[in-house]
Amino acid sequence: GQQLNQSPQSMFIQEGEDVSMNCTSSSIFNTWLWYKQDPGEGPVLLIALYKAGELTSNGRLTAQFGITRKDSFLNISASIPSDVGIYFCAGQNYGGSQGNLIFGKGTKLSVKP
Amino acid sequence: NAGVTQTPKFRILKIGQSMTLQCAQDMNHNYMYWYRQDPGMGLKLIYYSVGAGITDKGEVPNGYNVSRSTTEDFPLRLELAAPSQTSVYFCASTPRQDWLREQFFGPGTRLTVL
Repeated sequence: GQQLNQSPQSMFIQEGEDVSMNCTSSSIFNTWLWYKQDPGEGPVLLIALYKAGELTSNGRLTAQFGITRKDSFLNISASIPSDVGIYFCAGQNYGGSQGNLIFGKGTKLSVKP
Repeated sequence: NAGVTQTPKFRILKIGQSMTLQCAQDMNHNYMYWYRQDPGMGLKLIYYSVGAGITDKGEVPNGYNVSRSTTEDFPLRLELAAPSQTSVYFCASTPRQDWLREQFFGPGTRLTVL
């Protein structure tokens, strides 16, 4: 089946630093999504991207939908301790079973105050 | 609105036992999903439903069954629990398949099969 490669697997950064993570796929998607998951909780949607080349911000978070439709990246600027968690990318194509989400394995972010 | 609720939060089963994981949403969403999340992995789709009375298999359906008799409820049934089903299970809902800005996940059910 379709697979997403998400990198890096984990990051240890100092508070105030910027963070960058990305996802690549062997096949194209119509939608790219980025989620954050806190321990013991379900994923929460951060940003949804619907158009190739789209660049969208949500506060200190910025995500882009790659032109080839096979990749996406997420940047977090000026990280703070509450950014700690696992970040997942997911891709979707509309229609039938292919409309379901394919998730990456996650990037675990640790922030040192 | 309570959003998406799941019960129980935790459960330990013995091999061969059966149980039903409950999921309910009060947002009148048509689409509902069951995912499992294994340690260090992303979520994998078990089953989904596009409306009451309609269900379909996802990526990893073996060992599970679902039903959708109402818009609100989407229970997941394990008939013969196996250690490979030890995982965290998440239910999610969305009003439309392409409207993921309004997708919500439940808090999860942590299941251990011994």
